[in-house]
Amino acid sequence: GQNIDQPTEMTATEGAIVQINCTYQTSGFNGLFWYQQHAGEAPTFLSYNVLDGLEEKGRFSSFLSRSKGYSYLLLKELQMKDSASYLCAVRVPGGYQKVTFGIGTKLQVIP
Amino acid sequence: DSGVTQTPKHLITATGQRVTLRCSPRSGDLSVYWYQQSLDQGLQFLIQYYNGEERAKGNILERFSAQQFPDLHSELNLSSLELGDSALYFCASSTGLAATDTQYFGPGTRLTVL
Repeated sequence: GQNIDQPTEMTATEGAIVQINCTYQTSGFNGLFWYQQHAGEAPTFLSYNVLDGLEEKGRFSSFLSRSKGYSYLLLKELQMKDSASYLCAVRVPGGYQKVTFGIGTKLQVIP
Repeated sequence: DSGVTQTPKHLITATGQRVTLRCSPRSGDLSVYWYQQSLDQGLQFLIQYYNGEERAKGNILERFSAQQFPDLHSELNLSSLELGDSALYFCASSTGLAATDTQYFGPGTRLTVL
């Protein structure tokens, strides 16, 4: 089976940096995604990692270590609008482009 | 706006009824995916279609079925509805071809079963 673990909730202060961790145990690996989801809205794509290392995109960065089954999403210069759930998702072989989502980390940004 | 459209936005119905949710993928995307998201639950993959053919099945109940039509839009049919089927239903689409294929989500249909 597929198992993806993330903290369920985090709180951080406006202007600060926060790191959201994701660990996975899956039968195979074809890439890891991070999505942002505001309450009641659609998930929106943030990043994709398939090779080890750090990918930076503006205030958001995502890191992957395939040997450790570990990824993190780093959010810098936090803004109130960053309050949302952050979903870690792993693409696995078997089934065409099959993606398994974690339950998500609910981030609350406080003033 | 992801380019994926879903109708209706909201649906309220009674137990035992049948409903149809509709999804139009982004222009050029051949793959369509359906997900269910219940309160405080993660996104549960239901089913995937690629260019009209079923490609992958997840935790989809036998009471649920889907299809993708020649114009690539997709419909998810939910029958004999139960209270526990109340959830957000998302459709996503992707090209289905590239190694870095990314799924783009529609705004969702909120189904309430009373």
